[in-house]
Amino acid sequence: EAQVTQNPRYLITVTGKKLTVTCSQNMNHEYMSWYRQDPGLGLRQIYYSMNVEVTDKGDVPEGYKVSRKEKRNFPLILESPSPNQTSLYFCASSFRWENEQFFGPGTRLTVL
Amino acid sequence: EDKVVQSPLSLVVHEGDTVTLNCSYEVTNFRSLLWYKQEKKAPTFLFMLTSSGIEKKSGRLSSILDKKELSSILNITATQTGDSAIYLCAVEAFDNDMRFGAGTRLTVKP
Repeated sequence: EAQVTQNPRYLITVTGKKLTVTCSQNMNHEYMSWYRQDPGLGLRQIYYSMNVEVTDKGDVPEGYKVSRKEKRNFPLILESPSPNQTSLYFCASSFRWENEQFFGPGTRLTVL
Repeated sequence: EDKVVQSPLSLVVHEGDTVTLNCSYEVTNFRSLLWYKQEKKAPTFLFMLTSSGIEKKSGRLSSILDKKELSSILNITATQTGDSAIYLCAVEAFDNDMRFGAGTRLTVKP
């Protein structure tokens, strides 16, 4: 089944404890992207990747890192999480950036 | 299982036409429905709907929610080529879960 998977789905952590949210797609998509969804603010793009080893900042990249070593995986790394990073995170992928994006199920992160 | 279904998946019209995009949902503990326009690398927010029957309007775009029918429509009047994009519908639940539809690709020809 074609899908985008994210792990974990839910995470509660403490300030400063490094964490990684994984994202994987099985559709051979070139384009992958991370968003955060906050009430009243809609989706905001954190980072995106046009292809392997090509990543770029979105609108709200501060406090986040990404890597794209393989086509299927696009992990989101929070080196030192802070409470303002408490949010619902979505990973999405598409064949190319101008195509329909497939969204993952979301990861709800709470930073205490 | 919760789901969000958009129709049509693809639509081609000419400038000046009016289009109606549909979004239906089956989501437990519905809180809000959101419409996004995706034309560049990230979707841009259009509307958030929480109450049934209240139309939201922004220029030539308008949207309304029908909680009885578990659906929403997005209308675009007097379409322009700049309206060509993928329109995404997303539904948010009270447990903060959120699901996206597959999108409707709209192409507006001159």
